[in-house]
Amino acid sequence: SSELTQDPAVSVALGQTVRITCQGDSLRSYYANWYQQKPGQAPVLVIYGKDTRPSGIPDRFSGSRSGNTASLTITGARAEDEADYYCNSRDSSGNFHVVFGGGTKLTVL
Amino acid sequence: QVQLQESGPGLVKPSETLSLTCTVSGGSISSSSNYYWDWIRQPPGKGLEWIGSIFYTGSTYYNPSLKSRVTISVDTSKRHFSLKLTSVTAADTAVYYCARVEPSGWFDPWGQGTLVTVSS
Repeated sequence: SSELTQDPAVSVALGQTVRITCQGDSLRSYYANWYQQKPGQAPVLVIYGKDTRPSGIPDRFSGSRSGNTASLTITGARAEDEADYYCNSRDSSGNFHVVFGGGTKLTVL
Repeated sequence: QVQLQESGPGLVKPSETLSLTCTVSGGSISSSSNYYWDWIRQPPGKGLEWIGSIFYTGSTYYNPSLKSRVTISVDTSKRHFSLKLTSVTAADTAVYYCARVEPSGWFDPWGQGTLVTVSS
């Protein structure tokens, strides 16, 4: 089955731009979806598909893909963006399985 | 607006079976024919692990690492789907989430999660 790799931790200065990456073979066939998880809360979808934000997600969140690497970009990071971020996609084997990345802890300095 | 809520015992003994139910409100499983209904878990301090998925027709898909111990079922008339995980050990201690899943693979919405501890 596929695997998705994320950096364990990333930091960004308040107001700056940060990119969180997700790498895996399945991303050549499927877009990554991105989730924000704050302590004690369920994950929340922030980006899905090519680069679509669900209702209520600020436009400072955006997504992109190049080859087998997907990125979540936060432009103008705010203190409330400090959270764990997870990517996921369908497994590239076409069996409707799902794979999650290991998560990235974002610290806003 | 669809909402999901997990329910079930918070404590399970080693070697026993973990059983959870996810109740769907604000919509029904059978009318949402494009969606899959999934279970995910998160051990304390760790990342998300996909457990498995069920389509409203009853077709199921399981994480290969858990497949021998997992059963997911659906009751469309009662608007819930369920998870059974057999022969649990302390490694199965986690927050268990249910979620609705688009065919393309994004999870939305999620239930609030329920902590299941495996301990004697």
